[in-house]
Amino acid sequence: GAGVSQTPSNKVTEKGKYVELRCDPISGHTALYWYRQSLGQGPEFLIYFQGTGAADDSGLPNDRFFAVRPEGSVSTLKIQRTERGDSAVYLCASSQFGGSTDTQYFGPGTRLTVL
Amino acid sequence: DAKTTQPPSMDCAEGRAANLPCNHSTISGNEYVYWYRQIHSQGPQYIIHGLKNNETNEMASLIITEDRKSSTLILPHATLRDTAVYYCIVLSDYKLSFGAGTTVTVRA
Repeated sequence: GAGVSQTPSNKVTEKGKYVELRCDPISGHTALYWYRQSLGQGPEFLIYFQGTGAADDSGLPNDRFFAVRPEGSVSTLKIQRTERGDSAVYLCASSQFGGSTDTQYFGPGTRLTVL
Repeated sequence: DAKTTQPPSMDCAEGRAANLPCNHSTISGNEYVYWYRQIHSQGPQYIIHGLKNNETNEMASLIITEDRKSSTLILPHATLRDTAVYYCIVLSDYKLSFGAGTTVTVRA
């Protein structure tokens, strides 16, 4: 079946602009996660959705970052007033139920470059 | 989540088994061991996970020591496409904590 998809695959923006990154999880998966991967490092947790609600947003670096999942399926990660330090690959994952026994499947990521 | 320690890199000959070690000496009884890999410019790919017993699937085998303080991921017949960074993760909730991983290079 179809895996996790993310759009766009690449996004180049200028400092101070607003960007939206989209994630389509595997159909039927109730849990959705966003991670960020800086160059040369492993992915870092940003936020976890269970259904429509953000169950844990402790990884969001500051209030310029926000994510939504209004219908419990597609999620959008929104970044306001982008900074050069926001440049990274943003990864989305989904799992069937959530929790430590539930495998997370990742999408290909969106590479964000802030000039 | 318990920390993990992996060698930074290792080479493997194509067609041979690749044995990737991971130490997790502070693992708790309810924490799972997960393995993911990341091929260059792709998202992490799930390989296998386990709690106590050894596990095998179509990709790999996972051997967990009886005291659960270490584990080994075995790729039975490495191919060039297995070249990737391999992450060993101990998970108690839902936050995958990726360390530096092991960069595995399979050579022809």
